[in-house]
Amino acid sequence: EPEVTQTPSHQVTQMGQEVILRCVPISNHLYFYWYRQILGQKVEFLVSFYNNEISEKSEIFDDQFSVERPDGSNFTLKIRSTKLEDSAMYFCASREGTGSVNEQFFGPGTRLTVL
Amino acid sequence: AQSVTQLGSHVSVSEGALVLLRCNYSSSVPPYLFWYVQYPNQGLQLLLKYTSAATLVKGINGFEAEFKKSETSFHLTKPSAHMSDAAEYFCAVRKDNQGGKLIFGQGTELSVKP
Repeated sequence: EPEVTQTPSHQVTQMGQEVILRCVPISNHLYFYWYRQILGQKVEFLVSFYNNEISEKSEIFDDQFSVERPDGSNFTLKIRSTKLEDSAMYFCASREGTGSVNEQFFGPGTRLTVL
Repeated sequence: AQSVTQLGSHVSVSEGALVLLRCNYSSSVPPYLFWYVQYPNQGLQLLLKYTSAATLVKGINGFEAEFKKSETSFHLTKPSAHMSDAAEYFCAVRKDNQGGKLIFGQGTELSVKP
């Protein structure tokens, strides 16, 4: 069964460093998403991506964040200068299309720890 | 604006007992509603979804949910809890725009006692 994969599973970085979180969505999916979950809190939407551009972003997704689909298979989230409060689990998700029955499939997540 | 509220951050049941996890939504348009489960150290797995085809929705692992428009609710139930059901459960509503982002509730942690 096709699945969304994410690497690395755990990333530890120093405050101010850049990190890139990688995702491989399901191959025939057209919509891509990043969400995050700070420990003990609910899952929050960051950004959605379609047709090689951002379709929606949240208030959290400021200039420090960027997304890219560099090669038609990977979908990356970059944080330019990490802050302590960026420590969270980051989930990638993908969806096949706009049909009402199309749910989002989530990856296993990357746990980001900023020291 | 669409939103989801889950009543009860922790629910504890005995093995074999009824599971009831509550979810209320707010939406100005007919919503698409989802329940996801998160097992420890894992990602989110879809349990079931409501897309207006039927008000009673059956999902995986014996779970089901009933959409009640009059109560703006989409509660998740399972007749008999199993130890393996212990997990975090999230209700979500999909914003029906181009992006279709999910708006999640706060989550309910289900504990199952032997």
